[in-house]
Amino acid sequence: SYELTQPPSVSVSPGQTASISCSGDKLGDKYACWYQQKPGQSPVLVIYQDTKRPSGIPERFSGSNSGNTATLTISGTQAMDEADYYCQAWDNSAVIFGGGTKLTVL
Amino acid sequence: QLQLQESGPGLVKPSETLSLTCTVSGGSISRSNYYWGWIRQPPGKGLEWIGSIYYSGATYYNPSLKSRVTISVDTSKNQFSLKLKSVTTADTTVYYCARQLAAAGTGTYYFDYWGQGILVTVSS
Repeated sequence: SYELTQPPSVSVSPGQTASISCSGDKLGDKYACWYQQKPGQSPVLVIYQDTKRPSGIPERFSGSNSGNTATLTISGTQAMDEADYYCQAWDNSAVIFGGGTKLTVL
Repeated sequence: QLQLQESGPGLVKPSETLSLTCTVSGGSISRSNYYWGWIRQPPGKGLEWIGSIYYSGATYYNPSLKSRVTISVDTSKNQFSLKLKSVTTADTTVYYCARQLAAAGTGTYYFDYWGQGILVTVSS
């Protein structure tokens, strides 16, 4: 079955750029999306169709997807961006989630 | 503003059937190109997709759960439901319902609205 692999954790200093990767076989041939989840809250869609931001999502969130890796980039990271991030794709009529990455802003 | 709300028992006994309902407000469950999904998350762990349903009744299920899962829709009530049979303690998780854009022509599938989630504990 298809798998998406994310690093368990990423750390970034405030104001710097955070990059979170999501790897899967030929992931670039599919659309990837990203969710942000803060403690005790439901996930929130932050990127869809690889690069698009839903209404209300700050411009500092961006995405890319090529080859076997999709990447979520947060520019000028703020303390409020500290959260778990999950990538997601669709493969063989099934929703696939990555294992999640805890972003720490310190 | 679309809202989704999960409801159902918070405690289920092992070997019994877990039943949850998601009520959709602020929009029609019969809208084209949108599926309605169930996702779960064990405390402190990642997201696991359970399955999704279209207003017509067409369904997709996670292969690892397919033998135990039934998802149904009631368009008259703007609701969809989850049944998970033969539960064990491993099914103790937070269950979310969510709206899923599903555009097969473009290969676009993502969840854009989520409920607040409901914790279901499996215990005798």
